[in-house]
Formats: sequence, C-alpha cells, structure tokens
Amino acid sequence: EIVMTQSPATLSVSPGERATLSCRASQSVSSNLAWYQQQRGQAPRLLIYGASTRATGIPARFSGSGSGTEFSLTISSLQSEDFAVYYCQQYNNWPLFTFGQGTKLEIK
Amino acid sequence: QVQLVQSGAEVKKPGSSVKVSCKDSGGLFSYYAVTWVRQAPGQGLEWMGAIIPFVGTANYAQKFQGRVTLTTDESTGTAYMELNSLRSEDTALYFCAYTGYYNGMDVWGQGTTVTVSS
Repeated sequence: EIVMTQSPATLSVSPGERATLSCRASQSVSSNLAWYQQQRGQAPRLLIYGASTRATGIPARFSGSGSGTEFSLTISSLQSEDFAVYYCQQYNNWPLFTFGQGTKLEIK
Repeated sequence: QVQLVQSGAEVKKPGSSVKVSCKDSGGLFSYYAVTWVRQAPGQGLEWMGAIIPFVGTANYAQKFQGRVTLTTDESTGTAYMELNSLRSEDTALYFCAYTGYYNGMDVWGQGTTVTVSS
C-alpha cells in the first residue's frame, strides 16, 4: 500500500500571504495525485488533479506541482475562505487510492 | 448538474450491519467509478473501496477486506456500501464520490452519519 505523508500537520498563515503545503508518497505515484479542500462539516472539494491541473471552477491562486514522490500545493494569496483542511490523495493504481492525513491551514 | 444523494443517518448496535445508499441524480452513473470514503469524528479521510458500475468490479482497502461490500443498481443509478460486524470505531461520516478514470473525486455526496453504540 502506498502511504501518503503530509506536512506540516498545522500551518498558520496570515490572510494575503502565501501558503505551501507538502505531500510525500512512500513510492512513486508519477503525476497521479489530487488535492482536496475540506471545510468543517462539508464534503471535500477537488482542487487539483494530475498533480498540477486545477479542477473546474478552482481559482488561479491554487497551484499544484511535483511528480514521483514529492508534491506541493501553493495558495498564492490567502483569502478568508481558504482556511480549511487540505488532503492529498494518490491514484497511481486506479481505482486503489490512499489519502494523506491532512494539513490544517489556520489563520495566524 | 450531477449530484449524489446519500441515505439518512443510521444508529446501529455493535455486531450489526449498515447499508448506505448513494443515488445519482445527474445520469452519469455508468461513466464513473463510485468510491467510498469515511471520516471518523475529528479525523482525516479514509478510503474504503471503489466500484466500477459498467464493469461490475469492486476494489477494497486492505483494512476493510471481508467486512465491506460495494454494489450498484444501474437501473436506478444507485450505489450501496454495506459494512458488517460494526464496532464503535466505525462511528463516522461516510461519503460516496465519483472518480473518473485516473482522475480525482470530483462529485461528492453529502455524507451519511453512522453511529455505532450499545
């Protein structure tokens, strides 16, 4: 089973600043990686797939990068609605999936 | 607009079973895999398994092998997740979601709360 490890567990950033979240895979997943945002009490929302492609309707301030085992999600200028929990998920052996444990992005 | 509508909250006794439904209201049932994800209170997302309706095959996370069964009814566009031998640790919010071939999970149900308590 591929293990996904996210860091940090909690990230404190001020509105308007840049945030970078990391995700590492225990073995190569090529570019078969997605990122999700989850607000409290809601279903997750797909942000990025294919490691760097924004999903429909996702603002340009969200960007993804990486391949193989190292990935990152960058939010260029944090808005109030961006403070949430973020998960990475690999689908390298579709339809077998695993999620990272999540990064909580909180207001500094 | 594609929507997945899940069945209502359940309260179950330890050792019993629960069956959660997930109905497609957008007519795309045959074109996606349906995946099931759960989230225990205050915890992260945990993938349980996925089923491909047009192929009829299901894949399960090792942790749930033998205890979960995924099925579909293409005539009604509904997917089902049945979890057996419930224990208190199965108390969670259960989601269904669509995932395209080698793609992310882009449509989610609203979630179904399952509470296991004696």
